[in-house]
Amino acid sequence: AQSVAQPEDQVNVAEGNPLTVKCTYSVSGNPYLFWYVQYPNRGLQFLLKYITGDNLVKGSYGFEAEFNKSQTSFHLKKPSALVSDSALYFCAVTLNQAGTALIFGKGTTLSVSS
Amino acid sequence: GAVVSQHPSRVICKSGTSVKIECRSLDFQATTMFWYRQFPKKSLMLMATSNEGSKATYEQGVEKDKFLINHASLTLSTLTVTSAHPEDSSFYICSATDSSGASLYEQYFGPGTRLTVT
Repeated sequence: AQSVAQPEDQVNVAEGNPLTVKCTYSVSGNPYLFWYVQYPNRGLQFLLKYITGDNLVKGSYGFEAEFNKSQTSFHLKKPSALVSDSALYFCAVTLNQAGTALIFGKGTTLSVSS
Repeated sequence: GAVVSQHPSRVICKSGTSVKIECRSLDFQATTMFWYRQFPKKSLMLMATSNEGSKATYEQGVEKDKFLINHASLTLSTLTVTSAHPEDSSFYICSATDSSGASLYEQYFGPGTRLTVT
């Protein structure tokens, strides 16, 4: 069965500092990995995805993530955090099969202080 | 492109009544749509997979008679919460995959519907 783990409920960083939000996954087959961000009472906004190719994926708003197959990780990173990055972040995994839903991690709240 | 809408965005209903939530793919056809439920500050829980023209596939623990899903066309899926109770209050989010797309994994999310049952 597929699963995603986000080990941290909350990550706190100061504005201007680099940030990392961790994600590990378990899947049989080649994983397709995603990061989404959610602001209060809003839907999910797509940040980036890894399907194949270069392990370092760049996405929206300056975020990037690195796919590490040996560690089964897909950590989200940003070199310099902004206060406006404060939100709830979800990592998700799926397989490239018709009718396959995304499996989400529990989410990590990012809080960036000024 | 690839926009998914949900209606209503927010609904308040009395206990015992039924509420219908619509999920529409605005600029693409979606053979498959998914319904998720999200509790406050919690992850999204997959409720069911909705396939156009066939019965929905419900996840374990989700009452199919309480959460009725209909996917009558390639652009519309509806979720009806029947005989709603306060514990059904939640944020419901749908997503859709583009039937004509090469990327079967690509899901597009609606903005969500906040249901409050009083």
